[in-house]
Amino acid sequence: AQSVTQLGSHVSVSEGALVLLRCNYSSSVPPYLFWYVQYPNQGLQLLLKYTSAATLVKGINGFEAEFKKSETSFHLTKPSAHMSDAAEYFCAVRFNFGNEKLTFGTGTRLTIIP
Amino acid sequence: DAGVIQSPRHEVTEMGQEVTLRCKPISGHDYLFWYRQTMMRGLELLIYFNNNVPIDDSGMPEDRFSAKMPNASFSTLKIQPSEPRDSAVYFCASTRRLAEYNTGELFFGEGSRLTVL
Repeated sequence: AQSVTQLGSHVSVSEGALVLLRCNYSSSVPPYLFWYVQYPNQGLQLLLKYTSAATLVKGINGFEAEFKKSETSFHLTKPSAHMSDAAEYFCAVRFNFGNEKLTFGTGTRLTIIP
Repeated sequence: DAGVIQSPRHEVTEMGQEVTLRCKPISGHDYLFWYRQTMMRGLELLIYFNNNVPIDDSGMPEDRFSAKMPNASFSTLKIQPSEPRDSAVYFCASTRRLAEYNTGELFFGEGSRLTVL
């Protein structure tokens, strides 16, 4: 079955440290991949997306993600965490080109330690 | 674009009452999704529409839930009768058909927080 796995439901990093949020998917065909961010009491906002162009994708707020087909991964990184990055992050995958439904991971809550 | 608009933002009701949540998708978008978010179950897809027609309602928890999309600019999610376990944040999202010019990311509304006492 097609699935999206986010390792670590909670991640804590110190301010200024590297942020790494992991996402793996199960599919033999490279899908479309997305990262969304949700701030408290708000809806989900698109951070970045992979659409079969460059494998390293840059998004908003200094985040980037690298698509690795051999590892079926799409991990999200940011070189230096900021207090404002505290939020919940969701990885999402569109497995089928003819199906507009997104499959979401369970989310990772990022806490920034001052 | 005004974005996806949901109402009400907050709803507190008593068990047994009918609840109606509303959504206005982004103009020009032909797909509309209803999601439910809880601490226990995360983000769940309830139902989605294409060109106002329900495509997949397998995520609707039970017959107490119903959704309609009478036209391209309006959808409702109704719970009747409501129960405390329905307490959650309900999100509406919209998108356009996947195409060369459109990678089909979903645009979410701010959500409707429902509390059933």
